[in-house]
Amino acid sequence: RKEVEQDPGPFNVPEGATVAFNCTYSNSASQSFFWYRQDCRKEPKLLMSVYSSGNEDGRFTAQLNRASQYISLLIRDSKLSDSATYLCVARFRSNDYKLSFGAGTTVTVRA
Amino acid sequence: DADVTQTPRNRITKTGKRIMLECSQTKGHDRMYWYRQDPGLGLRLIYYSFDVKDINKGEISDGYSVSRQAQAKFSLSLESAIPNQTALYFCATSETGVEQYFGPGTRLTVT
Repeated sequence: RKEVEQDPGPFNVPEGATVAFNCTYSNSASQSFFWYRQDCRKEPKLLMSVYSSGNEDGRFTAQLNRASQYISLLIRDSKLSDSATYLCVARFRSNDYKLSFGAGTTVTVRA
Repeated sequence: DADVTQTPRNRITKTGKRIMLECSQTKGHDRMYWYRQDPGLGLRLIYYSFDVKDINKGEISDGYSVSRQAQAKFSLSLESAIPNQTALYFCATSETGVEQYFGPGTRLTVT
C-alpha cells in the first residue's frame, strides 16, 4: 500500500468555481504535510504547508484530519492558471523524515 | 539563472548503455536528492545525500549509483540501462529537508 494516496482526477471545473480534493496517508507516525504543485512537464514546487489547525494562503485552504488520516486542499474562485497537478506530500518520522509523494490530483480549469 | 540545473534535459539511449545524469545547484544547500517520476506512481526517491561524504539509498536504488562530487554537484548513473528505467528524473535540493527545490527534470528513454 502506498504511504500517500490521491484521487488522480481529473477535476474539470469552470473559472470561478470551488474545487476540493483529499489525500489519505497510511502511516500514523506522521510529522508534517505539504501540497506541491506541478505544471505539465515541469518540476514540482511547494504550494503550501498544512498545519494541524488548517491554514489559508489566498484562495487556497488546506486542512489536516489526523484522526481519519487525510489532508485536503480547497481552491476558491478558480483561475485558468490553477490548472495543474497537485501533489500531496507527507514527511514521516519512521522513514527518517524523507518526503513521501502522492501520485497527484489533476485539476483543469476551463474558461 | 536557475538555482537547480540538470543535464541533459532529454536523452534516448539503448538497453545496456551506461548513462550519467548531472545535477548542479547554486542554492548552497547541503541536502540533495534524486527522484524518478512515473505516471500513476508519483515521485520515488532513488538516492539522497546530506553532505559531500554522505550517500544514502532511497526506496528504489537498485540499478542506480550516485556520486556527490561537491556540495553543488550530485550525479546519478545507470550502469546498464534497461527499458523500465524510462522515466522523468528530478534532482532536488533542500536546506532542512522540508521544502525541496527541484531541477527542471531529465526525460530518459531506454529502448
